[in-house]
Amino acid sequence: KAGVTQTPRYLIKTRGQQVTLSCSPISGHRSVSWYQQTPGQGLQFLFEYFSETQRNKGNFPGRFSGRQFSNSRSEMNVSTLELGDSALYLCASSLKGLAGDRWVGEQYFGPGTRLTVT
Amino acid sequence: SQQGEEDPQALSIQEGENATMNCSYKTSINNLQWYRQNSGRGLVHLILIRSNEREKHSGRLRVTLDTSKKSSSLLITASRAADTASYFCATDAGRGSTLGRLYFGRGTQLTVWP
Repeated sequence: KAGVTQTPRYLIKTRGQQVTLSCSPISGHRSVSWYQQTPGQGLQFLFEYFSETQRNKGNFPGRFSGRQFSNSRSEMNVSTLELGDSALYLCASSLKGLAGDRWVGEQYFGPGTRLTVT
Repeated sequence: SQQGEEDPQALSIQEGENATMNCSYKTSINNLQWYRQNSGRGLVHLILIRSNEREKHSGRLRVTLDTSKKSSSLLITASRAADTASYFCATDAGRGSTLGRLYFGRGTQLTVWP
């Protein structure tokens, strides 16, 4: 089974521009989450989508947005890029399920998109 | 904050030795997961342990979970140079949560010398 794929792998943008990153989850996985990783802040949760609906959102400004399509593929968009948006953006997919009364499911990460804002 | 903390921040050992990393967290969880990250790359899932489990094995990996102390440990036996990476523990939001958000610590940087 193919893993989580992310495109593009590397991106260089200029301040003020916008960018769209894409994530294809593992086949059959309906939950997709996005994380930002920087040396200063570590791994920070951006948002989670499940069945095309945003289920949870982290503490990021409105310039960060996302969506999920009916085939579970997801995109995230960052508008008006700032230097501080330079980071590794990671997407994770999960086959969520109930075990008793608890949600369980490993999250599998893609290779990430390295965004550099100049 | 639920964010976990790994300890130590850095660990340097020789090939063949065992490596132990610890993780502490603050609130109740459903599951705890351990990940490995090679420099600047994606996270590789290593193991998931549920809150009602105390120990789990996968190859050379052994994970323990003590929910009373809100802590977990990852043991890598007979380390190899290829195990050199950052290791992260990740927790969820606890009982009743249907959310996929994971909370990560800063990680332990493991260096295994040949």
